[in-house]
Amino acid sequence: DSGVTQTPKHLITATGQRVTLRCSPRSGDLSVYWYQQSLDQGLQFLIQYYNGEERAKGNILERFSAQQFPDLHSELNLSSLELGDSALYFCASSVGVGTEAFFGQGTRLTVV
Amino acid sequence: AQSVTQPDIHITVSEGASLELRCNYSYGATPYLFWYVQSPGQGLQLLLKYFSGDTLVQGIKGFEAEFKRSQSSFNLRKPSVHWSDAAEYFCAVATYNQGGKLIFGQGTELSVKP
Repeated sequence: DSGVTQTPKHLITATGQRVTLRCSPRSGDLSVYWYQQSLDQGLQFLIQYYNGEERAKGNILERFSAQQFPDLHSELNLSSLELGDSALYFCASSVGVGTEAFFGQGTRLTVV
Repeated sequence: AQSVTQPDIHITVSEGASLELRCNYSYGATPYLFWYVQSPGQGLQLLLKYFSGDTLVQGIKGFEAEFKRSQSSFNLRKPSVHWSDAAEYFCAVATYNQGGKLIFGQGTELSVKP
């Protein structure tokens, strides 16, 4: 158990819908990262927050957004969902910047 | 741009045999390097990390990796593979000057023959 909690574990939704994925980092970790894992793209960095502020952005679509709350949990919002958004979404947390990151079990999103 | 290459998409070894998974990175500064393992349907578990110092690092589950700056490599090794080691292995570099995000290789899937 990494100490990073992601909910829900599985999500099935229809095209055009909006979903919210939630991540609780390890106790004491200030950085939260979101990654998308798909068969064709591999593990892709989406976005990072550090202590409530956006720190780095990757290949995140405009339809996707995220935030980190004062209690340090984070949410990833995916809207206007398309079939191609089906993937495993991971959250990871670390104490600071450049330190080792610990991953949650992921949320498997299926868009039908 | 930073990148990580894992040349072997799939490797099969016999149980008890030794293992080496290759990883090459491209990064302008001193890299922070990691190996993660992912079992089917699971998250990524950190096996080991290299930040600085001794270039041979030990990790969990009997794995070790060696950082070779001259070859831009960080290969993962295990002297004797167990059937439970079958999984996908990812090498990653942390870009500490860009928030510390991890850039991953494409992964190497390891199968273990009885």
